[in-house]
Amino acid sequence: AQSVTQLDSQVPVFEEAPVELRCNYSSSVSVYLFWYVQYPNQGLQLLLKYLSGSTLVKGINGFEAEFNKSQTSFHLRKPSVHISDTAEYFCAVSDVGSGYSTLTFGKGTMLLVSP
Amino acid sequence: DTAVSQTPKYLVTQMGNDKSIKCEQNLGHDTMYWYKQDSKKFLKIMFSYNNKELIINETVPNRFSPKSPDKAHLNLHINSLELGDSAVYFCASSHRRQLIYEQYFGPGTRLTVT
Repeated sequence: AQSVTQLDSQVPVFEEAPVELRCNYSSSVSVYLFWYVQYPNQGLQLLLKYLSGSTLVKGINGFEAEFNKSQTSFHLRKPSVHISDTAEYFCAVSDVGSGYSTLTFGKGTMLLVSP
Repeated sequence: DTAVSQTPKYLVTQMGNDKSIKCEQNLGHDTMYWYKQDSKKFLKIMFSYNNKELIINETVPNRFSPKSPDKAHLNLHINSLELGDSAVYFCASSHRRQLIYEQYFGPGTRLTVT
């Protein structure tokens, strides 16, 4: 079984500042990692994913994340945030080779961008 | 064009009633899911169907019954609704072989039980 820990429930930041949203996971097997974004009153949208290969993954809207196997982390970063980035961000993990795509989500981090 | 759609978007009902939420995807995916998001925004898988076959059934009360008439549809029927069923329910889909680990989510159905 896997679990995902998002260390910050809320991250306030000023517009154009850099941001890092932290995610740690635990699993007894190899995993795939994901970040999803949920804008207010909307469904989830995939930001980026790590399946294999380069540990630095680039996603939509200028976000990127780095997979660190030794630290079991997959932190999300953006060098300069916009007001429109205000949303809930979910880190998720899935077993490699589980046959079916079962996602285990963290509890989410609310990114609040202010002018 | 909507990829994963859910109806209704909002559902307000009284305890004890029976209600259904419908989900349809036009992505050609063969696997569909239901998730529940509680008031603290925590998302948890409830069910998953692959080609109309139930493959994931988490610890969910048997008042919840998913039904998949075909690969493109996965409906959720809830009997004898309780206050604790109030949540946002998300449908999602993926393709088992191609984009196996990438799930596409619907906009959600906010269920309020009074």
